[in-house]
Amino acid sequence: AQKITQTQPGMFVQEKEAVTLDCTYDTSDPSYGLFWYKQPSSGEMIFLIYQGSYDQQNATEGRYSLNFQKARKSANLVISASQLGDSAMYFCAMREAYSGYSTLTFGKGTMLLVSP
Amino acid sequence: DSGVTQTPKHLITATGQRVTLRCSPRSGDLSVYWYQQSLDQGLQFLIQYYNGEERAKGNILERFSAQQFPDLHSELNLSSLELGDSALYFCASSVEPTERDGNTIYFGEGSWLTVV
Repeated sequence: AQKITQTQPGMFVQEKEAVTLDCTYDTSDPSYGLFWYKQPSSGEMIFLIYQGSYDQQNATEGRYSLNFQKARKSANLVISASQLGDSAMYFCAMREAYSGYSTLTFGKGTMLLVSP
Repeated sequence: DSGVTQTPKHLITATGQRVTLRCSPRSGDLSVYWYQQSLDQGLQFLIQYYNGEERAKGNILERFSAQQFPDLHSELNLSSLELGDSALYFCASSVEPTERDGNTIYFGEGSWLTVV
């Protein structure tokens, strides 16, 4: 079974609208961390936001927020007020305690296109 | 700028050859990770070093090896290259990873390797 599932291969949104990128995860580890990264066409991998499994509050970083629903094992990324520069590939990733928090397991990604 | 520096940014080489990719982690980060991103396999964890010692190993081929030096920079050596090794190779770094601390893993811009 896939550990990280991103069911949306592509998403389209208009500038200034909010968009939610879905991520579900599978782990039996009680302690884990969830990450979102952005990869623009230039290739670099940009860290956006982190949520720890024990964090009581949803993480927020500027226009990014993580809608963490632990019982559902989902960690959706919400981008408010989309900008043209948000067009990129977005990856959800998980780090688990059993690996010593060493390895990130990535989903296949969601391509976001923001139109004017 | 993540603070993780990778060289070279682009590399074209022939099958059977050997290349070395270099990574300088962010200042203060003791952990270095190597990831491979290819179209068919997605993002795959290769190997992690912590303060010079190998910490975790992923799907790293026997033809590949890595090390972390006393100054904490790391090198990934790829030998007997095959066409299928063409990929984007990322280095990432973090502080000592735990569930709460070191919760951010920063990636470099990647090294694009093309094997012809």
